[in-house]
Amino acid sequence: GESVGLHLPTLSVQEGDNSIINCAYSNSASDYFIWYKQESGKGPQFIIDIRSNMDKRQGQRVTVLLNKTVKHLSLQIAATQPGDSAVYFCAEIEDNYGQNFVFGPGTRLSVLP
Amino acid sequence: DGGITQSPKYLFRKEGQNVTLSCEQNLNHDAMYWYRQDPGQGLRLIYYSQIVNDFQKGDIAEGYSVSREKKESFPLTVTSAQKNPTAFYLCASRKDERWEQYFGPGTRLTVT
Repeated sequence: GESVGLHLPTLSVQEGDNSIINCAYSNSASDYFIWYKQESGKGPQFIIDIRSNMDKRQGQRVTVLLNKTVKHLSLQIAATQPGDSAVYFCAEIEDNYGQNFVFGPGTRLSVLP
Repeated sequence: DGGITQSPKYLFRKEGQNVTLSCEQNLNHDAMYWYRQDPGQGLRLIYYSQIVNDFQKGDIAEGYSVSREKKESFPLTVTSAQKNPTAFYLCASRKDERWEQYFGPGTRLTVT
């Protein structure tokens, strides 16, 4: 999920396969992380969150993994569906008041039929 | 239905004109935020407000102004001083005891 200027990293997966989207964060003191999904022309939607005292959290068809050693976050989507096609980006919260979010540039997920 | 609304969805203006983007929420959220989104970049914070009648500059506040006269409303004015105003603008809100921000549908502003 590193920024490459005007072009987002793209991940293409076959329908039914699992997807893994990665995000590198910058601040080792970040206490809270969120994954958002953004469809074209719409606002971001909350998918799943994880606190820094956790390594893994599961939701419905999604799992977030946090590796604090290398400051890496990943989002796994099981049995990817066409409706999962969107830009996914992570956010890290740098203070306890939740007001200072840092957002990654995102990864575009394309689901192939 | 509870949510965040932004209007209009698309906005066109001539260079040199000020324009105000609307953001309303009926979620009883305390904090509200304005972000700018450009292609290939993460969201950048313009302004945020934790309570009524108080707001703070974000990373890219120059050329923008806001007001927070009501808890439900946080309008953003893009002034003629903003050098590159064409962008997708997102408003978000957050309840004090929660960390996640919820976003509106966005307004795409085009200035020619």
